Amino acid sequence: GESVGLHLPTLSVQEGDNSIINCAYSNSASDYFIWYKQESGKGPQFIIDIRSNMDKRQGQRVTVLLNKTVKHLSLQIAATQPGDSAVYFCAEKRFGFQKLVFGTGTRLLVSP
Amino acid sequence: DADVTQTPRNRITKTGKRIMLECSQTKGHDRMYWYRQDPGLGLRLIYYSFDVKDINKGEISDGYSVSRQAQAKFSLSLESAIPNQTALYFCATSDRDTQYFGPGTRLTVL
Repeated sequence: GESVGLHLPTLSVQEGDNSIINCAYSNSASDYFIWYKQESGKGPQFIIDIRSNMDKRQGQRVTVLLNKTVKHLSLQIAATQPGDSAVYFCAEKRFGFQKLVFGTGTRLLVSP
Repeated sequence: DADVTQTPRNRITKTGKRIMLECSQTKGHDRMYWYRQDPGLGLRLIYYSFDVKDINKGEISDGYSVSRQAQAKFSLSLESAIPNQTALYFCATSDRDTQYFGPGTRLTVL
């Protein structure tokens, strides 16, 4: 499984840039996907979700894209701010199952 | 006020001690979960409950037990704590698919 910890992939961006965080999933039967943000010392915070009958969903400054052909999920953050610095990870739920499987964490570092 | 609260937020204990971590939620959700998070291993499911009379083991339930005292309360117990149970513990709730997490409990077993 993928890990959240000391050796996370890291994405470094400048304040104001757009950020793209990627996540690959392996189960073609997954029908629900979710992105979380975890700041240091805090619990995972829901950002945005998407169901498999959609390709794109937008929130406030965030967009999730789902490419079922290549089993790829991405989170786009527009006009990244220092407060966006955190670990971001995706999760998937397989159709018919009630549990989430958590994927890779990526550390986002935003420089002023 | 937070929708999902956990107590204590930090705990240091000794090997062999019994520890209880508590979780309360005001979201009115039926489903509640306990996870642990370790550096390098991410979030792993310990136990989950879909209603007061339903308790299910997750992927790493050995050494843990739970109690669903009410819809809003779900507690996790370590009957005899051991050092490799040192971790961050998170409670979560959901009404359907989206899970909402508490702030976590940092547990250290010496």
